[in-house]
Amino acid sequence: EDKVVQSPLSLVVHEGDTVTLNCSYEVTNFRSLLWYKQEKKAPTFLFMLTSSGIEKKSGRLSSILDKKELSSILNITATQTGDSAIYLCAVGSNAGNMLTFGGGTRLMVKP
Amino acid sequence: NAGVTQTPKFQVLKTGQSMTLQCAQDMNHNSMYWYRQDPGMGLRLIYYSASEGTTDKGEVPNGYNVSRLNKREFSLRLESAAPSQTSVYFCASSAQRGGIYGYTFGSGTRLTVV
Repeated sequence: EDKVVQSPLSLVVHEGDTVTLNCSYEVTNFRSLLWYKQEKKAPTFLFMLTSSGIEKKSGRLSSILDKKELSSILNITATQTGDSAIYLCAVGSNAGNMLTFGGGTRLMVKP
Repeated sequence: NAGVTQTPKFQVLKTGQSMTLQCAQDMNHNSMYWYRQDPGMGLRLIYYSASEGTTDKGEVPNGYNVSRLNKREFSLRLESAAPSQTSVYFCASSAQRGGIYGYTFGSGTRLTVV
């Protein structure tokens, strides 16, 4: 059974801090790993990582895929209150019919 | 672009009542999904439809039924609502089977069963 585990469960930081969120997975026939940000509504797409694209960056957010360790990290530098959200990691498999989601990390950024 | 449209956005039901959550996508996606999200539980798959004409159970199908009416529409029905079905429901769609390049989500339905 495919499995995705995120850590920590929750995190409280102050504006300006740097945070690292973790995602580890056990998936048959790995194809992709995706990060989503969820504020009050639906998850919104951040990054997709694959074997051919193991590092992505957008502004203050960056993500790396470690295929050897079966894990990924999401880094947010110079955090802002607008970064407060639940961050979801999901993994896609060539053998599967749906994404497998982790339980999410709830990030709160205090002013 | 509308993307994935879910209705209603909010609903309060009494125990035992039935209702249907509607979902439609205008991106010509093949696969569609219904998830529920409870506090601290992440997203749990209820049912999915890999392609038009097929539906399959996910992780938590009990108490629900689905219909893939056509390629655009995928509805979720609660025949006899229970308080345990209080949750936020998300519909999603993907162009590729299994969503390997990601889902597009609807805005969600907040359902309360009293």
